[in-house]
Amino acid sequence: AQRVTQPEKLLSVFKGAPVELKCNYSYSGSPELFWYVQYSRQRLQLLLRHISRESIKGFTADLNKGETSFHLKKPFAQEEDSAMYYCAPSPHPGNNRKLIWGLGTSLAVNP
Amino acid sequence: GAVVSQHPSRVICKSGTSVKIECRSLDFQATTMFWYRQFPKQSLMLMATSNEGSKATYEQGVEKDKFLINHASLTLSTLTVTSAHPEDSSFYICSARDGVSSYNSPLHFGNGTRLTVT
Repeated sequence: AQRVTQPEKLLSVFKGAPVELKCNYSYSGSPELFWYVQYSRQRLQLLLRHISRESIKGFTADLNKGETSFHLKKPFAQEEDSAMYYCAPSPHPGNNRKLIWGLGTSLAVNP
Repeated sequence: GAVVSQHPSRVICKSGTSVKIECRSLDFQATTMFWYRQFPKQSLMLMATSNEGSKATYEQGVEKDKFLINHASLTLSTLTVTSAHPEDSSFYICSARDGVSSYNSPLHFGNGTRLTVT
């Protein structure tokens, strides 16, 4: 099976604290990995993808093939980061492949 | 940027009736669209993959006769919930990937449709 695991359903931190949302995958091959975010009352949107090696809104995610992980990190959380975060690897090359979603982590950043 | 338009955003129907939800890709062609269902405070559940010009691929446990998918053009996929029941009440979301982009291009999501069956 090609599974994605986000072990934390809910993560609560204080403003200014570091935050790490965990994501592990369990399948072979070279995955294309994404983090999507859903803010309250908004549509899902791409946050970042590993191939770009970018930092979006202060978030970064490093692909660790040894640990098969793609954890999302931010050194100083902000209240506006409160949202639902989904890790979504995609193991199949080709335009019609599916993304196998993690169950999502709800991040709450408290003032 | 690429936008996916989903309509209606909210619909209330009576038990036993059918409801059609549209998903359109604006400014890009989508050979493949995905339909999801989201329960309150839970993750997205992929229901089916909609392929332009061919039959949809349904995930295990999703009734294809109940959730009819039609992808007649490169910019439109529809999901019809047939003979709806209260347990079908949920939030349905579609997504699409630009058909001419590389495989590592991201999905673009519709705003979702809140279906309430009374």
